[in-house]
Amino acid sequence: QLQLQESGPGLVKPSETLSLTCTVSGDSLSSNENYWGWIRQPPGKGLEWLGNMYYSGNTYYNPSLKSRVAISVDTSRNQFSLRLSSVTAADTAVYYCARVPANGGSVDYWGQGTLITVSS
Amino acid sequence: QSVLTQPPSASGTPGQRVTISCSGSSSNIGTNYVYWYQQLPGTAPKLLIYKNNLRPSGVPDRFSGSKSGTSASLAISGLRSEDEADYYCAAWDDSLSGPAFGGGAKLTVL
Repeated sequence: QLQLQESGPGLVKPSETLSLTCTVSGDSLSSNENYWGWIRQPPGKGLEWLGNMYYSGNTYYNPSLKSRVAISVDTSRNQFSLRLSSVTAADTAVYYCARVPANGGSVDYWGQGTLITVSS
Repeated sequence: QSVLTQPPSASGTPGQRVTISCSGSSSNIGTNYVYWYQQLPGTAPKLLIYKNNLRPSGVPDRFSGSKSGTSASLAISGLRSEDEADYYCAAWDDSLSGPAFGGGAKLTVL
């Protein structure tokens, strides 16, 4: 059974870099069948796609965040990571990692989500 | 500003049928599958409908999806109190190379 689990610090100071890791079990990040990505949800607001990675190493980012966001992969550990730089209070949100089928679909599996608060 | 457009709210009484609309463009709904999610407070979104009108195992057949052109709809029949939740539509967007989401519709069961 596919499981995705986010891990991260919980609290990040303004202007610092937010780093999160998603550990995947039950599927391989080396497969060409899926994208793997990050989505966030500020308190009381809707879902925002941050970016995806593909097994080939290609990455795709939300244009509104492109200069601050980076996604990387560690296939030996079956993990992928998110880095978001120069964070502000507006980056406070629940961050989800997710799987997206590479056949024109949307998210079919979600992690449970982790709340990241940006505060000094 | 969400890429896909949903009404912010919907409501109905127990037993009624309600629909939630989702509008997009040729780069998303017009050429790709539509997905729908149900989100209860404090939980991750749950996949409700995939590939326009398919239900994952365990999702009641009271939930159905449809798509026409650049728009889609989620219908819930036999409304129940436990259906009160936020509902999101989504579709792959060729311009983004990622999924585009609607702003979400809060369903109230009166």
